[in-house]
Amino acid sequence: IVLTQSPATLSLSPGERATLSCSASQSVTNYLAWYQQKPGQAPRLLIYDMSKRATGIPTRFSGSGSGTDFTLTISSLEPEDFGIYYCQQRVSFGQGTRLEIK
Amino acid sequence: EGHLVESGGDLVQVGGSLRLSCAASGINFSGFWMSWFRQASGKGPEWVAQIKSDGSEKYYSDSVRGRFTISRDNAKNSMYLQMTSLRAEDTAVYYCARDVNYLQSDYWGQGTLVTVSS
Repeated sequence: IVLTQSPATLSLSPGERATLSCSASQSVTNYLAWYQQKPGQAPRLLIYDMSKRATGIPTRFSGSGSGTDFTLTISSLEPEDFGIYYCQQRVSFGQGTRLEIK
Repeated sequence: EGHLVESGGDLVQVGGSLRLSCAASGINFSGFWMSWFRQASGKGPEWVAQIKSDGSEKYYSDSVRGRFTISRDNAKNSMYLQMTSLRAEDTAVYYCARDVNYLQSDYWGQGTLVTVSS
């Protein structure tokens, strides 16, 4: 399964809403995860099972979707939300979306 | 707070071997599947290998099957990755991670760098 993320780069201001997409090459189960990674750090699990927030993850992060199309939404960006976001379905990872905070 | 700490990364020549270790503390280790991931510079993460909570099942990516061996010692809260016949394309930061389900991983170590030089 190939996961394609869009956009490649997103540049937004604090307080704005961010919508990140992950499209699968074929229909997948809802075992879809989203990670945030900052330079020099390990990936951090944000969302698993498509829509469940991991422990300690703020409520501004939410996941949705089904079939082949999935979305990570950050309702109101904070300065610390910069980084690269990856979606994952089992052994496959997307290529990432770089989120830049203006 | 729980931690995973990898060790054993090094500079090794093509064809060489290396053993990585992952030590867990402050988390339920023995009750969970565990995985190794790797990430080459500037690339996304790549799943490498996975082991069941009791060590009875092991799975590998096509790129490492036959060369890498995953194992664990629940009495020591530790997991290992024995790597042989190393290739230049194995160069990456290697992470151990705890599996929530279907490779979705909630705890990750800080990573250990493996560099394979020709």
